[in-house]
Amino acid sequence: DAGVTQSPTHLIKTRGQQVTLRCSPISGHKSVSWYQQVLGQGPQFIFQYYEKEERGRGNFPDRFSARQFPNYSSELNVNALLLGDSALYLCAATPGQGGTDTQYFGPGTRLTVL
Amino acid sequence: SQQGEEDPQALSIQEGENATMNCSYKTSINNLQWYRQNSGRGLVHLILIRSNEREKHSGRLRVTLDTSKKSSSLLITASRAADTASYFCATDYNDYKLSFGAGTTVTVRA
Repeated sequence: DAGVTQSPTHLIKTRGQQVTLRCSPISGHKSVSWYQQVLGQGPQFIFQYYEKEERGRGNFPDRFSARQFPNYSSELNVNALLLGDSALYLCAATPGQGGTDTQYFGPGTRLTVL
Repeated sequence: SQQGEEDPQALSIQEGENATMNCSYKTSINNLQWYRQNSGRGLVHLILIRSNEREKHSGRLRVTLDTSKKSSSLLITASRAADTASYFCATDYNDYKLSFGAGTTVTVRA
């Protein structure tokens, strides 16, 4: 089976723009989580989705939003980009009903905001 | 704020030596996990230990958990160049959120 895939790999945007990042989980994994990892730090939890419903949200502003599709893939949207949004955005899939068991991470999308 | 904190921040060892890193956390947990990250890419799950377990092994990895001290350790035995990476502990902050520490950067010298 293919692992978690994310697109694009790299992205450069300017302040104020909007960005959409995409994630396809492992087949059969219905829960998807999004994390932001700033250089030199550990990943910070943004969202978790299960069966198209938001299960939880981290301490991020409303500029961050996400959704999950019927095929369990997911999109993360960030509006009104700030320089501080520059980071590696990671998607992780979890089997079963999600939660905090083993998470399978994608390779990430590197976002640079100029 | 992050729930877990790894110590040390960085570690440099010779190939063949053992590497030990520690993780401390603040609140009670159901499980604690260790992940590896190579060169700013995706994280790879190494091992999960539940709160009722004290020690777990996986290949050259040994993880211990002391819930009374709210701490865990990861031991990598007989290190190899391929073990060069950042290692993160993650605790379940609630039912859906994993909280990661800032990581330990391990460099294995040939």
